[in-house]
Amino acid sequence: DAKTTQPNSMESNEEEPVHLPCNHSTISGTDYIHWYRQLPSQGPEYVIHGLTSNVNNRMASLAIAEDRKSSTLILHRATLRDAAVYYCILRDNDYKLSFGAGTTVTVRA
Amino acid sequence: DGGITQSPKYLFRKEGQNVTLSCEQNLNHDAMYWYRQDPGQGLRLIYYSQIVNDFQKGDIAEGYSVSREKKESFPLTVTSAQKNPTAFYLCASRSDRSNTGELFFGEGSRLTVL
Repeated sequence: DAKTTQPNSMESNEEEPVHLPCNHSTISGTDYIHWYRQLPSQGPEYVIHGLTSNVNNRMASLAIAEDRKSSTLILHRATLRDAAVYYCILRDNDYKLSFGAGTTVTVRA
Repeated sequence: DGGITQSPKYLFRKEGQNVTLSCEQNLNHDAMYWYRQDPGQGLRLIYYSQIVNDFQKGDIAEGYSVSREKKESFPLTVTSAQKNPTAFYLCASRSDRSNTGELFFGEGSRLTVL
């Protein structure tokens, strides 16, 4: 079963930032936080991951709470191509990787 | 180019027939996964395999079977015992040697049972 909780949906205007929260209160010390996104009728693609420190890459930023029980994916300037379902999952040494329902992001032009 | 290939992309079958979905990867990944996705829903784990000749049940394994005879291949059979097999099926693989440990997904196979 998924170990994370995300809101079902979020809306944003184009060119505005989007903050996607994820709660993972049962996270263990060795769990990495991974984010994926899925465009319609496609397989998910990797976005970003982190362990303790905040992370930035060309797609997004990941802010991790100090107690690691929550994190936030930040899309700095939403575009129409960012409309997708975003999944937050935990990865440790266990090979079993479970996804939840994710957050559906809608971007208004 | 390296990647994961799923086939067929679309498949129609009559109720009661077994169906096998193909998943091949040339990424030299050890771990492979099968997920099921229903309309408007998230991904649910069916089976996963850490290494050749070994696999484990995921969260919804009933009515499905897999094999892992080769590192590159992880076929999924949807048996007649699966009560509601119509869904979008996604295969993924992951490398233990990658810094990110990210999953790479195929484009999916959409199965419709008539």
